[in-house]
Amino acid sequence: QSALTQPPSASGSPGQSVTISCTGTSSDVGGYDFVSWYQLHPGKAPKLIIYEVTKRPSGVPDRFSGSKSGNTASLTVSGLQSDDDADYYCTSHAGTNNAFVFGTGTKVTVL
Amino acid sequence: QVHLQESGPGLVEPSGTLSLTCAVSGVSISSDWWNWVRQPPGKGLEWIGEAFHSGLTNYNPSLKSRVTISVDRSKNQSSLKLTSVNAADTAVYFCARSPGTFRLDHWGQGTPVTVSS
Repeated sequence: QSALTQPPSASGSPGQSVTISCTGTSSDVGGYDFVSWYQLHPGKAPKLIIYEVTKRPSGVPDRFSGSKSGNTASLTVSGLQSDDDADYYCTSHAGTNNAFVFGTGTKVTVL
Repeated sequence: QVHLQESGPGLVEPSGTLSLTCAVSGVSISSDWWNWVRQPPGKGLEWIGEAFHSGLTNYNPSLKSRVTISVDRSKNQSSLKLTSVNAADTAVYFCARSPGTFRLDHWGQGTPVTVSS
């Protein structure tokens, strides 16, 4: 099972928006509405920010939104803040023997 | 409040067995799936596998032959064993809870493991 493809980096100024793509296949992203996104800050526990493609856990601001079209999912962060400077990973369910397949990760830099 | 804490040796010899535990507090381990994920230095996240308290497990096919994940209800903890380790297994290891719909909603902070003699 290959990793999902994400751009290595993305950036934006405070207040701007950034969108990160997550491309898979019909066996993972395209086949299930079980795409999640995670935010990683160094030394901290990863944080779930989007699940089931578009849903936000309690406490996650609505500046974070998710979508999917075909085999590609996307995460949009609007109104960028300094704390959004982090690594972001997508995951998708990929069938019976692959509960989770991760994306390659994207480093978001707030300029 | 759900809290997960990984622990175990930070150094493992090549060809040895990596053994880690994940202490869970704030929720019974007799529900949900308990996952392990790792991140090698400078690389991305890799899902290792998951276990349910009943004994059901799912593993990453690329690691399946070397991995065992279990749940101990008496101690409210999950355990990871990875055999025949080599330098490529050097990573930060995380435990995480999956309450369903293939999402990992609570994570530990991770514990670094180095494979070296």
